[in-house]
Amino acid sequence: NAGVTQTPKFQVLKTGQSMTLQCAQDMNHEYMSWYRQDPGMGLRLIHYSVGAGITDQGEVPNGYNVSRSTTEDFPLRLLSAAPSQTSVYFCASSYSGLAEHEQYFGPGTRLTVT
Amino acid sequence: GQQLNQSPQSMFIQEGEDVSMNCTSSSIFNTWLWYKQDPGEGPVLLIALYKAGELTSNGRLTAQFGITRKDSFLNISASIPSDVGIYFCAGHRSLYMEYGNKLVFGAGTILRVKS
Repeated sequence: NAGVTQTPKFQVLKTGQSMTLQCAQDMNHEYMSWYRQDPGMGLRLIHYSVGAGITDQGEVPNGYNVSRSTTEDFPLRLLSAAPSQTSVYFCASSYSGLAEHEQYFGPGTRLTVT
Repeated sequence: GQQLNQSPQSMFIQEGEDVSMNCTSSSIFNTWLWYKQDPGEGPVLLIALYKAGELTSNGRLTAQFGITRKDSFLNISASIPSDVGIYFCAGHRSLYMEYGNKLVFGAGTILRVKS
């Protein structure tokens, strides 16, 4: 199993550009989520999904969109990039329900918005 | 916003020393978790605690779920160079509370080891 994969590993955007961060998992996990990591802030939940076709907002959803058309994929879209979105983005997956806290994280995408 | 207070923010210790860090909250959690993040990687789950007062070990790591359910502690014995990284605590709430059945993370403790 590849586990949780994320692409790209690094990205530089100009303010106003849009892009999609890709996330895929091959563990048949129902639950997937996106976090951003900023210095001194820990990980903050952006959006999450409990299954294909079902998504919901986390703590910091503004400026991001998600969709979940398959169990395996959970892309994160930046609609109009802003410097405040410079961060490291992590995708995570787990079984839903009681095991939801046992999340497997991807290697991260480092995004810089200039 | 941030709801878990993790301390210390960073530590610089000698190889072989024991390490202690803790996490506190104003809210009750049903589960406490400790993750480690190596440089350039995603966090990896170290220990999960499910019951108030529970003490759980994983090799040289020992973690405790506070009696009040508002805090947790992680100890690392006889530290080695590969213990370097960022240690995160996370709290897990039950369904129907804020953000539903989701993890809330502390800001992390950066551990540096002098060999």
